[in-house]
Amino acid sequence: RKEVEQDPGPFNVPEGATVAFNCTYSNSASQSFFWYRQDCRKEPKLLMSVYSSGNEDGRFTAQLNRASQYISLLIRDSKLSDSATYLCVVNKRGFQKLVFGTGTRLLVSP
Amino acid sequence: ETGVTQSPTHLIKTRGQQVTLRCSSQSGHNTVSWYQQALGQGPQFIFQYYREEENGRGNFPPRFSGLQFPNYSSELNVNALELDDSALYLCASSQSGRQGPYNEQFFGPGTRLTVL
Repeated sequence: RKEVEQDPGPFNVPEGATVAFNCTYSNSASQSFFWYRQDCRKEPKLLMSVYSSGNEDGRFTAQLNRASQYISLLIRDSKLSDSATYLCVVNKRGFQKLVFGTGTRLLVSP
Repeated sequence: ETGVTQSPTHLIKTRGQQVTLRCSSQSGHNTVSWYQQALGQGPQFIFQYYREEENGRGNFPPRFSGLQFPNYSSELNVNALELDDSALYLCASSQSGRQGPYNEQFFGPGTRLTVL
């Protein structure tokens, strides 16, 4: 079983739609959680950290459920520029490495 | 831009050859991590260097080795290249402690390696 699992998609949505991505992680020692965005053939870039209380950054909302070991990302009012792969990422306490999911591909169409 | 640079940007090698990839960390960062990203997959942790010493290693064979220099730049060396080594190799720099809390890693643009 992979340490971080995501639905690879692709998710095809029209502009203006709301889309949600989910991710599960298997290691209960995971301490820090992130969503990264990766454009085609580019490096991953931090989109947002995920906190237990849930957090929002503009059109993006991230939530964490430690009991279920589940992370989500909600994108409201999708833009064409949101088309990318979204990577769910965790970090285990005491270790500096990041563990990435496979990524979920989002395609926003006009 | 993150200030993390990698060279070369692209590289083509044949099976059995050796390759060296380079990474310059962001100013003030003392830690470099290397990741391998195969097509359609998320990045996989190879190893990390903290103040010139290896500080953790992922599930990669010994033919993957690295170095970190006093200026905190780093090299990734891969010997006896195999077809499956074809991937995007990413380095990420951070200002970290050996076992301290996680600090954000900033990724370079990557080196795309093709093994024929």
